[in-house]
Amino acid sequence: ILNVEQSPQSLHVQEGDSTNFTCSFPSSNFYALHWYRWETAKSPEALFVMTLNGDEKKKGRISATLNTKEGYSYLYIKGSQPEDSATYLCASLGDQGGKLIFGQGTELSVKP
Amino acid sequence: DVKVTQSSRYLVKRTGEKVFLECVQDMDHENMFWYRQDPGLGLRLIYFSYDVKMKEKGDIPEGYSVSREKKERFSLILESASTNQTSMYLCASSPTTEGPTNEKLFFGSGTQLSVL
Repeated sequence: ILNVEQSPQSLHVQEGDSTNFTCSFPSSNFYALHWYRWETAKSPEALFVMTLNGDEKKKGRISATLNTKEGYSYLYIKGSQPEDSATYLCASLGDQGGKLIFGQGTELSVKP
Repeated sequence: DVKVTQSSRYLVKRTGEKVFLECVQDMDHENMFWYRQDPGLGLRLIYFSYDVKMKEKGDIPEGYSVSREKKERFSLILESASTNQTSMYLCASSPTTEGPTNEKLFFGSGTQLSVL
């Protein structure tokens, strides 16, 4: 079974700080890496789906990079705002019959 | 926008009860999924379906069954609820017939089930 690990488990930052967190996944038989944001009492929402080594995606102040050879992805948030407070989930799709394997999430809290 | 609707936000049931969790999506997606989320663990796949009347076991199917009689509806059934099934349940859908390859998942807002 694939093992997807996210670090840190939780993060507390001040408004305006930039932050980043990591998703590690097995690099063999890699197909795709997903990032989701899950705000309390809402539905998890897709941020990025990444497939190519070296891929970099951006959505506003949030960006992500992908290294499939070494099996990691970074998510960056520039100038964190309180509305960025959420749990960020990554999920890897490998040789699992098409099933995404999720990490345990990174819980981000941004204080005004 | 795709909408995935779960029938209940909170549910309290007693041990041994049969529990139905309903999920409906309105974008004609082929694939539907049921996950559970527990503290400190990632989302774990219970069951999924690639087509009407089709179902596949996920990683933790024990104690659960599913039904997909119509394309838009995917039901999760707890045959005899137990306290270790207390959890947040999330339904999701995606728009491919080949499985969740590069397609993102669209999630419902979850059902927090408590089994007493």
